[in-house]
Amino acid sequence: AQSVTQPDIHITVSEGASLELRCNYSYGATPYLFWYVQSPGQGLQLLLKYFSGDTLVQGIKGFEAEFKRSQSSFNLRKPSVHWSDAAEYFCALLGDNAGNMLTFGGGTRLMVKP
Amino acid sequence: NAGVTQTPKFQVLKTGQSMTLQCAQDMNHEYMSWYRQDPGMGLRLIHYSVGAGITDQGEVPNGYNVSRSTTEDFPLRLLSAAPSQTSVYFCASSRTAGNTIYFGEGSWLTVV
Repeated sequence: AQSVTQPDIHITVSEGASLELRCNYSYGATPYLFWYVQSPGQGLQLLLKYFSGDTLVQGIKGFEAEFKRSQSSFNLRKPSVHWSDAAEYFCALLGDNAGNMLTFGGGTRLMVKP
Repeated sequence: NAGVTQTPKFQVLKTGQSMTLQCAQDMNHEYMSWYRQDPGMGLRLIHYSVGAGITDQGEVPNGYNVSRSTTEDFPLRLLSAAPSQTSVYFCASSRTAGNTIYFGEGSWLTVV
């Protein structure tokens, strides 16, 4: 069975500080991995995705993520956080299940201090 | 360029009432699915479809029915709503397996 774990439920950082959100997965092969962001009362927006190739993936809004097979991780990073980055972030995995369905982590809520 | 459209956006139901959440996509995607989002649990798959006439259960299907009579539409039916079905519901679609998955904007459902 496949699973995704986001160990941090809440994270607070100061505006301008760097950010790293953790994501660990369990899957028997190389997965497709995604990061989504959800602002309050809004839907899900895709930040970036890893399918294969370069393990450092660039996304929108200045985010990047690094796939580390040895650690079963896909952590999301941003060098300088803006107040508008406050939101909930979800890591998700697409395995080889029928129907192209995603398995999500529980989410990390990011708060940004001025 | 509508993408994935969900209606209604907000709904309050009484226990035992029935309703249908509508989902439509205009991208000619074969794969469609419904997720529910609950605090601390991320999104969990309710039902999915890999094409018109084909549906299957996901992780949390109890209390929900779906059908896929056309490629464009994938409605989710609650036959007898329960307070445990209070949640945010997301519809998603993709062209085929391994392609980018697009989400609707969500439907906030409260059952009292």
